[in-house]
Amino acid sequence: RKEVEQDPGPFNVPEGATVAFNCTYSNSASQSFFWYRQDCRKEPKLLMSVYSSGNEDGRFTAQLNRASQYISLLIRDSKLSDSATYLCVVNPRMDSSYKLIFGSGTRLLVRP
Amino acid sequence: DGGITQSPKYLFRKEGQNVTLSCEQNLNHDAMYWYRQDPGQGLRLIYYSQIVNDFQKGDIAEGYSVSREKKESFPLTVTSAQKNPTAFYLCASGTGQGFSPLHFGNGTRLTVT
Repeated sequence: RKEVEQDPGPFNVPEGATVAFNCTYSNSASQSFFWYRQDCRKEPKLLMSVYSSGNEDGRFTAQLNRASQYISLLIRDSKLSDSATYLCVVNPRMDSSYKLIFGSGTRLLVRP
Repeated sequence: DGGITQSPKYLFRKEGQNVTLSCEQNLNHDAMYWYRQDPGQGLRLIYYSQIVNDFQKGDIAEGYSVSREKKESFPLTVTSAQKNPTAFYLCASGTGQGFSPLHFGNGTRLTVT
């Protein structure tokens, strides 16, 4: 089993749709979690840090379920500009960042 | 504006040549990292440095070397010993604390023929 697993997609949705991605992780001791967005042939950019209570930033909502060991990302009212690959990142440690584990990404295509 | 800069954006080299990728940050971050990304795969850690004059091997360090002589700079050399060097290389920096996210440079796409 991979340490961090994501559905590669692509998720093909119309503008205005709501779409959700899940990411599962294998290390139950994992401490911090992030969602990054990566456009084609560009660097990953931080979308959200995921807090234990869940957090929301505009159209984006992130949730953490420690019991089932997954984090989710919900995008409401999808825009064409949301088309990208979304990377789930898990850190099993609190004292450093050199053990970050990156998922392979979920590709989202938003169509007109 | 604070940020992290990689150069060049594209690099082409012949097999058997060493090549050095530049990474500079002005975010005053202690920790810097080099990752490699191949199509359809997650980022894999090559080397990291948590403080000046110190660095550690990551998961795929073979065929690579680094230095950290200044806080702002963390160059990566891809040596001729790296068997499959063609890839997208990403440099990142952070505070080094587990709860802090990493910030990435814009990447260098290396093609070796």
